[in-house]
Amino acid sequence: GENVEQHPSTLSVQEGDSAVIKCTYSDSASNYFPWYKQELGKRPQLIIDIRSNVGEKKDQRIAVTLNKTAKHFSLHITETQPEDSAVYFCAASMRSNFGNEKLTFGTGTRLTIIP
Amino acid sequence: DTAVSQTPKYLVTQMGNDKSIKCEQNLGHDTMYWYKQDSKKFLKIMFSYNNKELIINETVPNRFSPKSPDKAHLNLHINSLELGDSAVYFCASSQVRGPYSYEQYFGPGTRLTVT
Repeated sequence: GENVEQHPSTLSVQEGDSAVIKCTYSDSASNYFPWYKQELGKRPQLIIDIRSNVGEKKDQRIAVTLNKTAKHFSLHITETQPEDSAVYFCAASMRSNFGNEKLTFGTGTRLTIIP
Repeated sequence: DTAVSQTPKYLVTQMGNDKSIKCEQNLGHDTMYWYKQDSKKFLKIMFSYNNKELIINETVPNRFSPKSPDKAHLNLHINSLELGDSAVYFCASSQVRGPYSYEQYFGPGTRLTVT
């Protein structure tokens, strides 16, 4: 099955600086790579996603890059703000034989923004 | 107008008891999931249902039995609860269509504590 590794497990950055979180996946059949943000005591919520036919996607201060050959994808947050503090999860998805999604999550990165 | 709702939010019970968690989505999605998030925040899929049919059943003890009475509901019944079942359980839903993957929407979670 799919295996997703995520680094670092914790990350502290000064407010205004950039943060980068990296993930690798094992199954070349995976074709959808979402990133979820989970604030303390809350549900995971999608912040950005990328499909395997795209190398980069940006949404305001957040960007994701995908290297299919190396099976790497990364989340970049620029101009970090205190409200960016949360746990971030990468995930890789492949469709099952019956068309269902099976999301395999990374182990999470606890991002702390230092004011 | 909550998209994915779960009840109860908190569940404290003793070992050996049987309990159920209910999930409902009003997004019109045809696929629903149960995830378990352990104390280390690791998110792992347990089950997936598509149009009331079980599609994904990860390596979960058969003490866990999901039931989907209709597309909008996916309940989780747990028999003979054990200490190791203590976790946050998230329900999620998505719309699966064509070859493309789409966002999974998570419920608020149910924190289960087994004493």
